[in-house]
Amino acid sequence: TQLLEQSPQFLSIQEGENLTVYCNSSSVFSSLQWYRQEPGEGPVLLVTVVTGGEVKKLKRLTFQFGDARKDSSLHITAAQTGDTGLYLCAVTKGGRAGGGNKLTFGTGTQLKVEL
Amino acid sequence: EAGVTQFPSHSVIEKGQTVTLRCDPISGHDNLYWYRRVMGKEIKFLLHFVKESKQDESGMPNNRFLAERTGGTYSTLKVQPAELEDSGVYFCASSLWDRPSEAFFGQGTRLTVV
Repeated sequence: TQLLEQSPQFLSIQEGENLTVYCNSSSVFSSLQWYRQEPGEGPVLLVTVVTGGEVKKLKRLTFQFGDARKDSSLHITAAQTGDTGLYLCAVTKGGRAGGGNKLTFGTGTQLKVEL
Repeated sequence: EAGVTQFPSHSVIEKGQTVTLRCDPISGHDNLYWYRRVMGKEIKFLLHFVKESKQDESGMPNNRFLAERTGGTYSTLKVQPAELEDSGVYFCASSLWDRPSEAFFGQGTRLTVV
């Protein structure tokens, strides 16, 4: 059973379009992270959301944590070719200093933005 | 400041051979993690070091995998003997002791066992 389900699995859009990708679970989390991974690179942390209903903005990216802290969404406004990549959500256990804090990743959404 | 570096970036070995992957974390990062993505699957946790001590090795697949972090600096992950199902991309990540959720990942080592 997959802890974090991401949808869609693949998304191909034109530059300038808007898009939303989702990360869903039946479990409740104290926090959730979004990463972006480009080919040949490791995941890069974009944001951490911790409060139910929280909305965080990072330039054209808007992240929302569900009220029940079971799901999250990532909305990109006016997508650019540089947004192309694999978007991953992840959750951790622990979180205390020096604690376990291993990440559990979602299945990922592969985004391709074309001219 | 250098990020997390992994070596080699690619490795192709035959079934039954031994391979050692290396990870150099960001200087000063006590937490070091190994993760793996096999084809078509999500990235999965392998193990976690705090300095030179193994904090959590619950994700290690079997005893063919051995991880070390001598002196609490760089880490190695040895696979011996390698099997076909070990193929995948192995990622290393590191973080400060008091900011464990802010992990920085290396570029990964793509291991292909043929």
